[in-house]
This record gives sequence, C-alpha cells and structure tokens, in this order.
Amino acid sequence: EAQVTQNPRYLITVTGKKLTVTCSQNMNHEYMSWYRQDPGLGLRQIYYSMNVEVTDKGDVPEGYKVSRKEKRNFPLILESPSPNQTSLYFCASSFSGRRLETQYFGPGTRLLVL
Amino acid sequence: EDQVTQSPEALRLQEGESSSLNCSYTVSGLRGLFWYRQDPGKGPEFLFTLYSAGEEKEKERLKATLTKKESFLHITAPKPEDSATYLCAVQHGSSNTGKLIFGQGTTLQVKP
Repeated sequence: EAQVTQNPRYLITVTGKKLTVTCSQNMNHEYMSWYRQDPGLGLRQIYYSMNVEVTDKGDVPEGYKVSRKEKRNFPLILESPSPNQTSLYFCASSFSGRRLETQYFGPGTRLLVL
Repeated sequence: EDQVTQSPEALRLQEGESSSLNCSYTVSGLRGLFWYRQDPGKGPEFLFTLYSAGEEKEKERLKATLTKKESFLHITAPKPEDSATYLCAVQHGSSNTGKLIFGQGTTLQVKP
C-alpha cells in the first residue's frame, strides 16, 4: 500500500531535549516536505526536499533541521525544542517538486513541549 | 507578500444546498493551485490540481475552477459525508523550488 508513515504519532517532551520525528514513504517520490498545523494559522511549510541531498527552507524553518540522505526518508530534527513548537506536524511526499501533482500526507505527529 | 486567503472560514449547509468556497491568492509566479480535504485528526487528502486560468476539474459533487486571482470549489447537492475542512494551497516561485503556501481552510458542515 502506497503510504507516508510518521513516528511517533504522539510525543510529550520537555524544553531543550533533542528529538527526531521520522518520515518515510514507499512510493519512490522525489519530493518530500514537512508542515506544521496550528489553530488559526493553518498549515505552514517548514522545510522541503526536491531530491536526495537537496533541501530548502519553507516559511517557518527556525528551530528545525532536516536531512535527506535516502530517497524514502526525511526526518525532522528539533535540536532544542521550545513550547512554541508545540504543534501538529505533517510529512508529505510527491512524485516531483517541479510540478506538485498529488501530494500524499502522513497521519501527523502531535507534539507537546513542556 | 505572497498570500493565500480562503473564505468563508466556516460554512453550514443543509443537505442538497449547493454553495461555493473561495480561495484568493497573490503570489509571484503561480505554478499550481491545489485543493485538499482534511478530516479531523487526519492528514490532508488531495482533491484537485489546477495550473492555468480557465481550467476546471470535477470529481463527484465537487468542481474546482481557476481564474488569475482566485479559485472556487463548487459543491453541488452536498451530503453529510462532505463535511470536512477544505484547504487551498498554491505552489509559486521558480521551477527549482517546491514552496507551497496554504490558506487557513474552510470548515464545511452539511446537516441532514
């Protein structure tokens, strides 16, 4: 089954404790992206990757890191989480980033930073 | 500033009562406009892609249209199962970027 998986689905952590949210897709997609969704602010793009070893900032990259060493994986790293990073995070993938056709979203990771 | 605005924020319809959702955009270099459906607690689900003014796409009770400044999602004779949040997103910029801006969404409730 074609899908985007994220782990963990729920996470409670404390300020400053480094964490990684994994994202994996099984569709051989070139393009992957991370978003956060907050009430009243909608979905905002954090980082995206056009292909392996190619990443770029979205609209809200501060406090986040990403890497794309393999085509299928695109982890999101919070080196020193803060309470304002409490949010619902979505990973997504698409065949190509040049013309974003169907973009598949993962189920989401709900993060609470205390 | 690049911006995507959806209206209304919320919409309540009776089953069978047709209506339209609006997505207006101001971006440099539109490369595609996308509509998604999002159910509570789930990731967005792709509905349509529109690339140029005048283009239309249809799927069951939904029809998406695009002009140079806005897009409409027309819902004909909606059913309760059409209740969801509908998101509009715009891809913009040069061909080497995958930047995407989302609107804040319209939450649709269809009552039986």
